[in-house]
Amino acid sequence: EADIYQTPRYLVIGTGKKITLECSQTMGHDKMYWYQQDPGMELHLIHYSYGVNSTEKGDLSSESTVSRIRTEHFPLTLESARPSHTSQYLCASSDRSYNSPLHFGNGTRLTVT
Amino acid sequence: AQSVTQLGSHVSVSEGALVLLRCNYSSSVPPYLFWYVQYPNQGLQLLLKYTSAATLVKGINGFEAEFKKSETSFHLTKPSAHMSDAAEYFCAVSDVYSSASKIIFGSGTRLSIRP
Repeated sequence: EADIYQTPRYLVIGTGKKITLECSQTMGHDKMYWYQQDPGMELHLIHYSYGVNSTEKGDLSSESTVSRIRTEHFPLTLESARPSHTSQYLCASSDRSYNSPLHFGNGTRLTVT
Repeated sequence: AQSVTQLGSHVSVSEGALVLLRCNYSSSVPPYLFWYVQYPNQGLQLLLKYTSAATLVKGINGFEAEFKKSETSFHLTKPSAHMSDAAEYFCAVSDVYSSASKIIFGSGTRLSIRP
């Protein structure tokens, strides 16, 4: 039973295209996150949100943007994809408390040719 | 700032052998610590978490971890490895200094199981 959904699972796209990676959760969590995972498997936080209309940049600089218009939805957009954007993107959510674990989606593997 | 360090990017054990994955944390306040597992082509899944209720924490799939303040460690163990345990394992700490309660991940340890 998946509580957090990411689409698409795999995406191959040409340079210069605009793309949106979708992420939705059904748990009513206030906090949502986007991580970029490189081939060495290390996770880098690129965006997070405390709640509706709140978005912040993470620790790793990213050319992507995010929005949080609804609690359950946290899409990530690349206006002009480049080969350097090729990576796995993981969405996660959690409730408000510090000891709450993250719930992850299955990820979107993006390849930009 | 809080951080975690995972010692060993790759650990290989025989099926049935003890699994030990090492994690050390850096924190000036009592930390909230987690272990996650990632199977190929999937997101991360919570194995267990430490929230100061007990120093020995039991998780799913027979894994457990012991919080040792004197050693600033939170190593993950399993008495007997199964082939299905092959995956990437991440230690993480909750950044209590961040208003966003960000989770800070270690660099991961890939566990391989030899038949």
